[in-house]
Amino acid sequence: DARVTQTPRHKVTEMGQEVTMRCQPILGHNTVFWYRQTMMQGLELLAYFRNRAPLDDSGMPKDRFSAEMPDATLATLKIQPSEPRDSAVYFCASGLVRGDTQYFGPGTRLTVL
Amino acid sequence: AQTVTQSQPEMSVQEAETVTLSCTYDTSESDYYLFWYKQPPSRQMILVIRQEAYKQQNATENRFSVNFQKAAKSFSLKISDSQLGDAAMYFCAYTRGNEKLTFGTGTRLTIIP
Repeated sequence: DARVTQTPRHKVTEMGQEVTMRCQPILGHNTVFWYRQTMMQGLELLAYFRNRAPLDDSGMPKDRFSAEMPDATLATLKIQPSEPRDSAVYFCASGLVRGDTQYFGPGTRLTVL
Repeated sequence: AQTVTQSQPEMSVQEAETVTLSCTYDTSESDYYLFWYKQPPSRQMILVIRQEAYKQQNATENRFSVNFQKAAKSFSLKISDSQLGDAAMYFCAYTRGNEKLTFGTGTRLTIIP
């Protein structure tokens, strides 16, 4: 049963610390998305990649967030330095072709104190 | 910019009854895709149903069906024979295809035993 995996599932950290979230897309999927879910903003796109190349990161605060795909099986989202307003659930999703369903991972719940 | 509107923040239905969740969207595109995702308390985003805009036939998946009205830009979800496991947040989402999903604000569905 192919699925998107994310680690860690939960992360509590202090303001100013670096946070790294990892995602393993479904094998063969060529597009990877990072979304953030908060009560105030709902679900919003942070960045996405196709064939490992970044296509859109306009939703990401550039000064503190970075997203990469070191290889086809790993996507990372880093926050440095983290701030309390970054507290949210971060989802990774992957898909294959145009119009295809995006399959979501279980999310990483981040709390920044 | 595309927008998705869910005007019902909360809905409730008696177990075994039928409920309809509303969704409207705004786009100038003619080719696009619409989805309903379910998010139970576990936070996992689960695909419920998918509709391709160029198909006139409404999508169905077991007890779930949609009423897709392209001219009216309406995409409602009907859940028949409601079950306790259907209790969740339901999100309507839009994409032009292998690009970001634009989500509505969600409808919280409660099932009354």
